[in-house]
Amino acid sequence: SQQGEEDPQALSIQEGENATMNCSYKTSINNLQWYRQNSGRGLVHLILIRSNEREKHSGRLRVTLDTSKKSSSLLITASRAADTASYFCATDAYTGNQFYFGTGTSLTVIP
Amino acid sequence: DTGVSQNPRHKITKRGQNVTFRCDPISEHNRLYWYRQTLGQGPEFLTYFQNEAQLEKSRLLSDRFSAERPKGSFSTLEIQRTEQGDSAMYLCASSLSGDNEQFFGPGTRLTVL
Repeated sequence: SQQGEEDPQALSIQEGENATMNCSYKTSINNLQWYRQNSGRGLVHLILIRSNEREKHSGRLRVTLDTSKKSSSLLITASRAADTASYFCATDAYTGNQFYFGTGTSLTVIP
Repeated sequence: DTGVSQNPRHKITKRGQNVTFRCDPISEHNRLYWYRQTLGQGPEFLTYFQNEAQLEKSRLLSDRFSAERPKGSFSTLEIQRTEQGDSAMYLCASSLSGDNEQFFGPGTRLTVL
């Protein structure tokens, strides 16, 4: 079974609005990563946050990590139509060798 | 293009046939991962290699699945006696180490008729 669970499963917003997606996981981790996948394509790495970090920024992306709640959030600011994609969080098992992806959040940005 | 490549991109086969997929990782990456993804789901971990050594296999990986990375470079994933339930996208990824981002290939879409 997959460790990560994203919430919401689907999100539809207007261009220019912010989009927030959440990820919850079950066991201790070394790091958590967020990926984007356009329909029928491979995954693209967005950002990695380590277990000793609480917040990280990359361009229009902001990721937070709360290890006490075993949760993470991805904020995309000033969304664009090109941000339309599925977003997945991935966590490593305690061994750091296996990676578990959630079921993803499908984001639609309406121009 | 120095990204991860996978071949073929699409494979249609009849139930019971064997299929083999190939993954060429980014050349300096030591780690190579195989995942399976079905519609509406996230990728599911299948196995991973550190150089040529296969270090972990998921319990999802039945005996019909075998993966190799003979020289620590490209890898192959073979599925024997395919079943309709094997229909999925098979993704390959590589990374420098476990602490680094994984770079994914475009995937091989398998359809078992």
